[in-house]
Amino acid sequence: AQSVTQPDIHITVSEGASLELRCNYSYGATPYLFWYVQSPGQGLQLLLKYFSGDTLVQGIKGFEAEFKRSQSSFNLRKPSVHWSDAAEYFCVVTGANNLFFGTGTRLTVIP
Amino acid sequence: NAGVMQNPRHLVRRRGQEARLRCSPMKGHSHVYWYRQLPEEGLKFMVYLQKENIIDESGMPKERFSAEFPKEGPSILRIQQVVRGDSAAYFCASSRIGGGDYNEQFFGPGTRLTVL
Repeated sequence: AQSVTQPDIHITVSEGASLELRCNYSYGATPYLFWYVQSPGQGLQLLLKYFSGDTLVQGIKGFEAEFKRSQSSFNLRKPSVHWSDAAEYFCVVTGANNLFFGTGTRLTVIP
Repeated sequence: NAGVMQNPRHLVRRRGQEARLRCSPMKGHSHVYWYRQLPEEGLKFMVYLQKENIIDESGMPKERFSAEFPKEGPSILRIQQVVRGDSAAYFCASSRIGGGDYNEQFFGPGTRLTVL
């Protein structure tokens, strides 16, 4: 069965610092993976997706993620965080008919 | 091209009342999904519908919850006799391609249901 684990519930970084959000998945075949961001009280916005091909994928807002099959991971990175990046981030794996969400990582950005 | 529309954005109900949540998919999308987000949690799948068909309702509670996607009009998620535990954000998503693994879904802004 599919599942997603985001081990970090809450991360705090300084503005301008680098960021890495961890994600591990469980899936029987080649997964399709996504990262979504949710600002407080808002809906979800797709940051990036991995379906196949190059294991390093670029997304919007300067985010990137790397798919590592050997580690069953799909970590999200950004080299320099902006205050507007403060939000909840969800790693997602696709199932047969729906999406499986991780529990999310809340990012706080301090000046 | 309008995105996924949901209304109302906020809904307040007293215990025992009915809640109706509406979702209009993106233009050209005929597959609709409903998810529920409880406070401090990720989204959990509830139901997947195509026009006039329920494809997968494995995530729907067995009682009080129902969903439809009629030939004309929006998809409706209906919760009868609401209880405080139903308080959550309900998100609708739509996709052009349904089923299988290649399934990019676009999300609406959600309906935040509060049960008093």
